[in-house]
Amino acid sequence: RKEVEQDPGPFNVPEGATVAFNCTYSNSASQSFFWYRQDCRKEPKLLMSVYSSGNEDGRFTAQLNRASQYISLLIRDSKLSDSATYLCVVNTNAGKSTFGDGTTLTVKP
Amino acid sequence: NAGVTQTPKFQVLKTGQSMTLQCAQDMNHNSMYWYRQDPGMGLRLIYYSASEGTTDKGEVPNGYNVSRLNKREFSLRLESAAPSQTSVYFCASSESRTAQPQHFGDGTRLSIL
Repeated sequence: RKEVEQDPGPFNVPEGATVAFNCTYSNSASQSFFWYRQDCRKEPKLLMSVYSSGNEDGRFTAQLNRASQYISLLIRDSKLSDSATYLCVVNTNAGKSTFGDGTTLTVKP
Repeated sequence: NAGVTQTPKFQVLKTGQSMTLQCAQDMNHNSMYWYRQDPGMGLRLIYYSASEGTTDKGEVPNGYNVSRLNKREFSLRLESAAPSQTSVYFCASSESRTAQPQHFGDGTRLSIL
């Protein structure tokens, strides 16, 4: 079993839709959590951190469920420019970062 | 600021050839990393350097060596390239091993024939 698992998708949604991705992790010692965005043939870039209480940044909301060991990313009012691959990253206290394989989102007109 | 700069951006090698991928960061970060990303997969850590003067193996170190030349530069060497090493290689840096975000370079697309 992979340490960090994501549904690869693809998720194909119309503009304006709400879409949610989940990411599960197996290491209960994981301490910090992040979502990165990666455009086709580009480098990953940090989208947002995930805090225990949940956090929001504009149309994006991230949630953490420690009991069930998953994090989620919700995108509201999807834009064409949201089309990308979304990677979840899980860190341990020792600084080990594990990347998920990513979920591909395509937003269509 | 350039951030993280990788060279070259593209390279084609023959099996058995050697080469070094270069990475430099201008953000005064302590930690640097080398990842590989195969099609449809996430990033896998090859080696990292938590601070100048130290290097450690990551998840997939076999077939690679690294050098942390100074605080700015972290190179990755393939001594005898194999087709299984065909991948996109990303260098990244962060303030410390436990700090996010990691800032990534543009990547090196490496094909081994």
